[in-house]
Amino acid sequence: ETGVTQSPTHLIKTRGQQVTLRCSSQSGHNTVSWYQQALGQGPQFIFQYYREEENGRGNFPPRFSGLQFPNYSSELNVNALELDDSALYLCASSSRRDRERRTEAFFGQGTRLTVV
Amino acid sequence: DQQVKQNSPSLSVQEGRISILNCDYTNSMFDYFLWYKKYPAEGPTFLISISSIKDKNEDGRFTVFLNKSAKHLSLHIVPSQPGDSAVYFCAADDISNFGNEKLTFGTGTRLTIIP
Repeated sequence: ETGVTQSPTHLIKTRGQQVTLRCSSQSGHNTVSWYQQALGQGPQFIFQYYREEENGRGNFPPRFSGLQFPNYSSELNVNALELDDSALYLCASSSRRDRERRTEAFFGQGTRLTVV
Repeated sequence: DQQVKQNSPSLSVQEGRISILNCDYTNSMFDYFLWYKKYPAEGPTFLISISSIKDKNEDGRFTVFLNKSAKHLSLHIVPSQPGDSAVYFCAADDISNFGNEKLTFGTGTRLTIIP
């Protein structure tokens, strides 16, 4: 059983640029959530995808967007990068059938994004 | 507005003794609580969870206690081992979010086990 994998592990971008982060879900999981963890803080929910549709969003501006693919892998896109976007971005996958409560989320190792 | 609070940024415990990590929450709608452990350069790892219909859940060396009236939960690790040294995050899920589930995390407690 493969775990959650994220790529790249580290990334440096310039303010104003765009970035795409990728996540492969754990085998058998159909739900992907993205979190931002700033230094010294706990992870903050960005959004969640279930069956390729956005299924909830946290307090993040529209320049944070995402996709989920038929194989349940996912992308997080951030446009017009700002210095405050520097953080660890975590992807978590879980499994849910219709309206049943999902299983506990399993996290990837994260992508460390630095905006300069 | 910090809905999940871990007021102790760090905790040091002797190997073999009990580690107690605390978490407080303010949102009455939270109905499911989880503890995650995080090592440097790794993602958080799920440890144990508890539903609001219970007041205790045990898994090996780990026990989580929930006091709904006080909006407080704690994680007990007995006995503490050097490999338990990590950052521990308390997280909560909101029943009203069903279908749009998201976890609200605390800021973490760094646990150091002293050999």
